[in-house]
Amino acid sequence: DARVTQTPRHKVTEMGQEVTMRCQPILGHNTVFWYRQTMMQGLELLAYFRNRAPLDDSGMPKDRFSAEMPDATLATLKIQPSEPRDSAVYFCASGLVESAGGYTFGSGTRLTVV
Amino acid sequence: KQEVTQIPAALSVPEGENLVLNCSFTDSAIYNLQWFRQDPGKGLTSLLLIQSSQREQTSGRLNASLDKSSGRSTLYIAASQPGDSATYLCAVTGGSYIPTFGRGTSLIVHP
Repeated sequence: DARVTQTPRHKVTEMGQEVTMRCQPILGHNTVFWYRQTMMQGLELLAYFRNRAPLDDSGMPKDRFSAEMPDATLATLKIQPSEPRDSAVYFCASGLVESAGGYTFGSGTRLTVV
Repeated sequence: KQEVTQIPAALSVPEGENLVLNCSFTDSAIYNLQWFRQDPGKGLTSLLLIQSSQREQTSGRLNASLDKSSGRSTLYIAASQPGDSATYLCAVTGGSYIPTFGRGTSLIVHP
């Protein structure tokens, strides 16, 4: 089965450090999302790409977060500098809008900032 | 802005019961609705996808229905098993193609 691959699975870092999370969407998918999941807020949309172009990043704290798709096989989410409140699970999802086939999620990156 | 509500937030039942999980949404102009399962510490696994033109979808013991006019979807689980214990999430996608998630229903099925 095709799957969305996220790395790393777990990351523990100190406050102030840069964190980079990576996502390999399913080949052929043209839509990529980044979500953050916490107990308090549930799943929150951070960024949305279509054909590698950012369409919506209104949910992302822009002073410290950035999201890019350098090519069709890689999406990145960076936090610089990281803060303890960024501790959460970050999910990437991909889909092909034209197929109306729904979205597939990766296994997530569990980030802990100490 | 689309808002998605899932009721109940938590459910604990004995094995063998038939269950109904509810999802309601405020904007009926949807593209599709997707039910996911999330096990503790894991990612989201897609269970069922209902297009806006469809009324229901079935997979094994799972059946999901969609009533756009009333802004509701239900996930029916027949003959529940301990292995069904997980959090069930409803995601509603509108014309922007961005899924909006409910907070989920945490299900425990005890032997």
